[in-house]
Amino acid sequence: KNQVEQSPQSLIILEGKNCTLQCNYTVSPFSNLRWYKQDTGRGPVSLTIMTFSENTKSNGRYTATLDADTKQSSLHITASQLSDSASYICVVSGAYGYNKLIFGAGTRLAVHP
Amino acid sequence: DAGITQSPRYKITETGRQVTLMCHQTWSHSYMFWYRQDLGHGLRLIYYSAAADITDKGEVPDGYVVSRSKTENFPLTLESATRSQTSVYFCASSEYAGLNTEAFFGQGTRLTVV
Repeated sequence: KNQVEQSPQSLIILEGKNCTLQCNYTVSPFSNLRWYKQDTGRGPVSLTIMTFSENTKSNGRYTATLDADTKQSSLHITASQLSDSASYICVVSGAYGYNKLIFGAGTRLAVHP
Repeated sequence: DAGITQSPRYKITETGRQVTLMCHQTWSHSYMFWYRQDLGHGLRLIYYSAAADITDKGEVPDGYVVSRSKTENFPLTLESATRSQTSVYFCASSEYAGLNTEAFFGQGTRLTVV
């Protein structure tokens, strides 16, 4: 069964600290992996999209890595800010059809001052 | 305003009633999607549309009806609402069906069925 699992479910860090969120998937075939940020009460907003040939991709203080062999991805947040408090969702796309996005349940990050 | 908008933002309805959630996008994107988001679960696809008058079922279509007479609108109707349909509903759109194409989400509609 195609699945996307994220860990941890929730995380609390202090402002200015770094953190890493994990995503493991069993989706096959695999086309790309996306990370979204979802603020409370808002829709998801894309952070990165990586294909199977990309190992790392950055978007400001956000850096995503992908290991297509082990089917693992991580999202690293550097020098966290209060505005980083949100849910981070890992989404994996199969090769057959855009409607085949598989969403993880998300990691809820709280950044405290 | 440009973008993708959903209405209403919040809705409370009674079991058995019909309710329609609206989605409007100003980009003329071909593809539009409806998802539901439940606590502890990832977003699940209800229906999607590749163009006006073309719709198809997603993962959890039962109890829902969609239409797309115009490219910019994609309403979702719950024909007879049930408590299990209490959820947050997100509409999304994308320009192409390309696998790396970006999808843009609306702000969501929180629906409570009592």
